[in-house]
Formats: sequence, structure tokens, C-alpha cells
Amino acid sequence: GIQVEQSPPDLILQEGANSTLRCNFSDSVNNLQWFHQNPWGQLINLFYIPSGTKQNGRLSATTVATERYSLLYISSSQTTDSGVYFCAVLRDAGGTSYGKLTFGQGTILTVHP
Amino acid sequence: NAGVTQTPKFRVLKTGQSMTLLCAQDMNHEYMYWYRQDPGMGLRLIHYSVGEGTTAKGEVPDGYNVSRLKKQNFLLGLESAAPSQTSVYFCASSPGTGRTGDTEAFFGQGTRLTVV
Repeated sequence: GIQVEQSPPDLILQEGANSTLRCNFSDSVNNLQWFHQNPWGQLINLFYIPSGTKQNGRLSATTVATERYSLLYISSSQTTDSGVYFCAVLRDAGGTSYGKLTFGQGTILTVHP
Repeated sequence: NAGVTQTPKFRVLKTGQSMTLLCAQDMNHEYMYWYRQDPGMGLRLIHYSVGEGTTAKGEVPDGYNVSRLKKQNFLLGLESAAPSQTSVYFCASSPGTGRTGDTEAFFGQGTRLTVV
């Protein structure tokens, strides 16, 4: 099956700093999502981005499907950005995937005040 | 619009006990999923359903059963709980329309299960 690797595994920042998280995947994908798991364990949808670039406030994401990677940018980080960031992909070869996602292992982000 | 709701949020079981986790979605989605999350790992798919009355095995199905009697509900059952099933369980749904780009998944808040 498809492999998803995220880097770095851990990231510690001071409030106000910028960061870039990376997601590499081993095959072409039909869907790619970025999630934030907050300290209470909730998974929050950040971006649905199989290709191209999207922005939402201080966060933006870019997926270069032909090169099999996606980047999540966090600018002017805040303590509330702390948590785990997951990348998840869907590869739908032949229309039989039924939306099943394969997750990376996540990047643990800690933002200090 | 509540999205995806899981009950209970927390549970402690003794080895050998049984329980059912309930997932409800109000988005009229066709597809529903159960994932588990273990420390240091991403989420792994347990079972999924592509419509009312259907279920299928995912990556780690052993020890679990599921049912989808109504489109909006997806139940995950543990018949005889084991310590290895201590985990955080997430339910998710996606539209399942088959239209290109319409595959975004939405997750519930999770159920933290401890088996002692």
C-alpha cells in the first residue's frame, strides 16, 4: 500500500515563529488532507488539498502531486497551534478505495509563549 | 449541525468485557469508518461501511465487529476486550458520492478506551 512519511517528527517553537511541515507519499493520490489534533485529542480538518495551494488565515498548504509531497506552513505561531499535525492521503486506483485514508505518523508541534 | 458524534467519550473495561461504541453523523454521508490511534502512530482503519447495511474490513479488524443498520449510525463492538485494544477510537464519515474531489473525511471527537 501507499506509504506516508511526515517530517520533522517533533518541532519546538517560540510564539511568533514560522514553520514548515512536510508530508511525502509514495504514489499518486486522489485526496490529501491535513489535520490538527489539539491537546484534547480532537481531529480538526485544516485543508483538503490533493493539489495546488490553499490558505486559511495564518495557515497555508501546498501539494505538488507530481513530486509526491505536501507542505503545511504555519506563520506567526501561537500557543494554541500546539498539538499533532497529521497528513492523510487517499489513493483511488480503480475506484475501490471508498475514501479510506492512510495516515502519516504526525508531527508534534509545541509552541512556547 | 453536529457533524460526527461519538459516544461514549471515555470508558474503562475489564479484560473479557464487551461494549459498543456508537457513531452518529448528520451530514447524510454514505461512507463511514472506524479508526484507532495508538501512541506514536497515525490512525489505522479498523472497519468501514459504504452504505446502509454494508460493512467491510480495514487494516486492523481482528477483535472488532461493526454494524450499520441505519445510514446515520455506525456501531463498533468489542465482544471480549483485551488490553491490546486500549486505544483512542475515531469515527469518520465522507460523502461517498463518487464525484471527483468529493472525498473529504470528517472525524468525531474520539473515544478513549482503556482495558485493564
